[in-house]
Amino acid sequence: SQQGEEDPQALSIQEGENATMNCSYKTSINNLQWYRQNSGRGLVHLILIRSNEREKHSGRLRVTLDTSKKSSSLLITASRAADTASYFCATDGGGGADGLTFGKGTHLIIQP
Amino acid sequence: NAGVTQTPKFRVLKTGQSMTLLCAQDMNHEYMYWYRQDPGMGLRLIHYSVGEGTTAKGEVPDGYNVSRLKKQNFLLGLESAAPSQTSVYFCASSYIKTASDGYTFGSGTRLTVV
Repeated sequence: SQQGEEDPQALSIQEGENATMNCSYKTSINNLQWYRQNSGRGLVHLILIRSNEREKHSGRLRVTLDTSKKSSSLLITASRAADTASYFCATDGGGGADGLTFGKGTHLIIQP
Repeated sequence: NAGVTQTPKFRVLKTGQSMTLLCAQDMNHEYMYWYRQDPGMGLRLIHYSVGEGTTAKGEVPDGYNVSRLKKQNFLLGLESAAPSQTSVYFCASSYIKTASDGYTFGSGTRLTVV
């Protein structure tokens, strides 16, 4: 079963605005990762945040992690048309099996 | 370019037919994974391998078999395809389980079973 659940399922914003996506999970984790998937392509790793970290930055990306609430957020600042994609959170350490457990994703559309 | 290569990219099978999906990586990664992606379901882990000669079951292993005879290759087999196996299949690899650079994914195999 899915460990992470992204919210919202879909998001449409204007170019230049900030986009925020949230992820909630159920069990304890070692780390949480965010991936991007462009239509018809494979997933691309964006950023990893470990369970003892609270915030991490990478370029226009900012990720936060609140282990007490079992939630994470991904902020994309100054969005661009090329950011249009689906974004998935993935948790490491949940589900009882090896490998990452993925959520269902947030589909982000950046309107030019 | 270095990365994960999946073949074939597209395939249509008749119910009951068999096929093998090939995943090859040239990054000397120890861990390899097979996921399936269905609309509205996200990615679900089928099987994985933590090194040459090892395999293990993931969340949805029924109807699939895997082999990892060489470190760089991870094969996914469907012995008797069923319409429920219509999906997009992704292979991924990682150097270690919690590598900070995450998983590297292939571009996927779109399989339709009729």
